[in-house]
Order: sequence, then C-alpha cells, then structure tokens
Amino acid sequence: KAGVTQTPRYLIKTRGQQVTLSCSPISGHRSVSWYQQTPGQGLQFLFEYFSETQRNKGNFPGRFSGRQFSNSRSEMNVSTLELGDSALYLCASGQGAPTDTQYFGPGTRLTVL
Amino acid sequence: QKEVEQDPGPLSVPEGAIVSLNCTYSNSAFQYFMWYRQYSRKGPELLMYTYSSGNKEDGRFTAQVDKSSKYISLFIRDSQPSDSATYLCAMSDSGGSNYKLTFGKGTLLTVNP
Repeated sequence: KAGVTQTPRYLIKTRGQQVTLSCSPISGHRSVSWYQQTPGQGLQFLFEYFSETQRNKGNFPGRFSGRQFSNSRSEMNVSTLELGDSALYLCASGQGAPTDTQYFGPGTRLTVL
Repeated sequence: QKEVEQDPGPLSVPEGAIVSLNCTYSNSAFQYFMWYRQYSRKGPELLMYTYSSGNKEDGRFTAQVDKSSKYISLFIRDSQPSDSATYLCAMSDSGGSNYKLTFGKGTLLTVNP
C-alpha cells in the first residue's frame, strides 16, 4: 500500500506570495492532518480534515487554510507569505477514529525569501 | 511554559548502549502518549503508543508513562547505528483526538559504531 505523498517536496517563494501544498493520504484513510515543523518551535498542529470537514484546528493565523476533497486528498494554502513561514510542512493521514494511528508523509520544505 | 518539554540533545552513544529519552508535560488532560522517530529528510514514523500510565515493550524499545509525575520515557536497548534519528514525544488529550497531537521538540540521537 502506498504511503502518504506530498507535493511538491521543495518550494521557494518570496514574501507576500501565496502557496498551495498538496497531500494524498493512504488509500482508505479519511482523515488528513497538517503540521508545521521548524527548528525553533518543533512540530505544531495546523488543522485536521475528516470527510471534507475541518474537525480540529490549531493556533495559527487565518493566512493558513486548508481543504479536503471527496477523494480525501487535501490541500493547504498559505497566503501573504512571511519569512517565518519557512518550514517543513507535514501531512499525516489516518482512518478517522480518535485513537487511530496517523502516518506522516515526507513533507514539503518551504523556503520564503 | 510549553506544554511538552523535551531535551533536544544532541545525544551521542556507542553502539550497544542503553538510551534513555524523556519528556515532561504540564497538561493533565493528556491521556495518549506516543514516540515518533524521524530520520533526516523524512516524516515522523510511530514507534510506540501508550494509553495512560504504565509500561509498554516492543522489541528493543520500552515506553514508560508516569502520569503522577507528568513524565514519559523511551528506552532503547542494544542501540544500533540505524537508531540514529530524531526522537519526538507526542501527546493528545482524552477529549481531542490523535489527530491533534502536541509534540516535544525532539531529541537528536547518534549511535556510533
């Protein structure tokens, strides 16, 4: 069974631009979570989608948004990029029950110049 | 005070050593405790999962949770060079779900042959 895939793997943007990252979950998984990983703050939860609905949300500004499609694929959008948004963005998928294990993708490395 | 504190290391040990990794936390609501391993340029992968207090063993890995002290540990016996990675503790509360995890910043471990 294929793992979680994320595209693109690397991205370079400039301040003020917007970016869209994509995540394809493991086949059969209906939940997708997004995390931001930086050296200073570690891994921080952004949001989780289940069956096209945002089910959980972290403490990030409204510039960070996401959505999930009917095939469970998810996208994350960051508008008006700031230098501090440079990070590894990870998505994870799971079957959807609260105690299920989630499986992480390799991440998208975003650099904001 | 961050909800989860983890010594970032780095920790360097000789092959065959017993490794002890630890996290402390402040949120009494945390009920589910996990350890993830993250290799360079990869996403985290789940190593151990425990619910509430107690011990859990899986091969060379043992996870301990002491809720009275708000302290969790991961022990690695007979450490191997392939164990060299960043180890992340993660937690979630009983009211939330495993899709909204709070992570420690991770401990970088190097096992020298």
